[in-house]
Amino acid sequence: NAGVTQTPKFQVLKTGQSMTLQCAQDMNHEYMSWYRQDPGMGLRLIHYSVGAGITDQGEVPNGYNVSRSTTEDFPLRLLSAAPSQTSVYFCASSRGQGINSPLHFGNGTRLTVT
Amino acid sequence: DQQVKQNSPSLSVQEGRISILNCDYTNSMFDYFLWYKKYPAEGPTFLISISSIKDKNEDGRFTVFLNKSAKHLSLHIVPSQPGDSAVYFCAASVETSGSRLTFGEGTQLTVNP
Repeated sequence: NAGVTQTPKFQVLKTGQSMTLQCAQDMNHEYMSWYRQDPGMGLRLIHYSVGAGITDQGEVPNGYNVSRSTTEDFPLRLLSAAPSQTSVYFCASSRGQGINSPLHFGNGTRLTVT
Repeated sequence: DQQVKQNSPSLSVQEGRISILNCDYTNSMFDYFLWYKKYPAEGPTFLISISSIKDKNEDGRFTVFLNKSAKHLSLHIVPSQPGDSAVYFCAASVETSGSRLTFGEGTQLTVNP
C-alpha cells in the first residue's frame, strides 16, 4: 500500500513560473488536504476537499488553486510562483473527518522560488 | 494569531527517562487534539489523540493529558527511546469542522543513549 504519494520531492522555480504539485492516495479516502510547513510556524492549511468535486479554502489559500476530479488525486497549482511560496508542502488524506479519522501525510515536496 | 503554541522548540532527555512535551491553545472551541511525530524528509505520522470529553488517553508508552480549564495538553513518553528522536507537533480541531487541523510550531525531541 503506497498511502499518500507526492511528486516531485524537490522543485526550484523562478518567480512568475507556474507548476502543479501532485498528490495521489490509494486508500479510497474521501478527505484530502494541502498544508505548508514553514520554519517556526508549524503546518498551515492551504486548501481541502471533502470529496470529489468539492473543495474549499483553508487558512492560507492565496496564490494556490486546487481541483478534485477523482477521489484519488488532489493537485495543488501555483499559477505565478512568488518567493513567499518557498516552503515544504504536505498533502494529507483521511477516511472521514474527526477523531476516528486521523490524517495520513505524504512525504512532502520541498519548493524553492528564486 | 497562533492558536496552538508549543513554547519549547527543543527538548533533550536520556534514554529510559520520561519525555514531557507541552502544548497550549487559545481557541476554546477546540474539542479534539492530536500529536504527530515527524522524522526528517518524511511526512508527519499520527501518534495519539484525545477528545475534550476525556482528560487522559494512553497508547503504550505514550500518554496524552488534557487540562481544559488551563487550555493545556501534554504528551508523556515513558520510557523514552533513541528512536523517539523526532519533531513532535501538537494539533487541534473543532470536531464539527472535521479534519481541518491547526498545528503548533513543533518541538524537536532528542533522546540520548
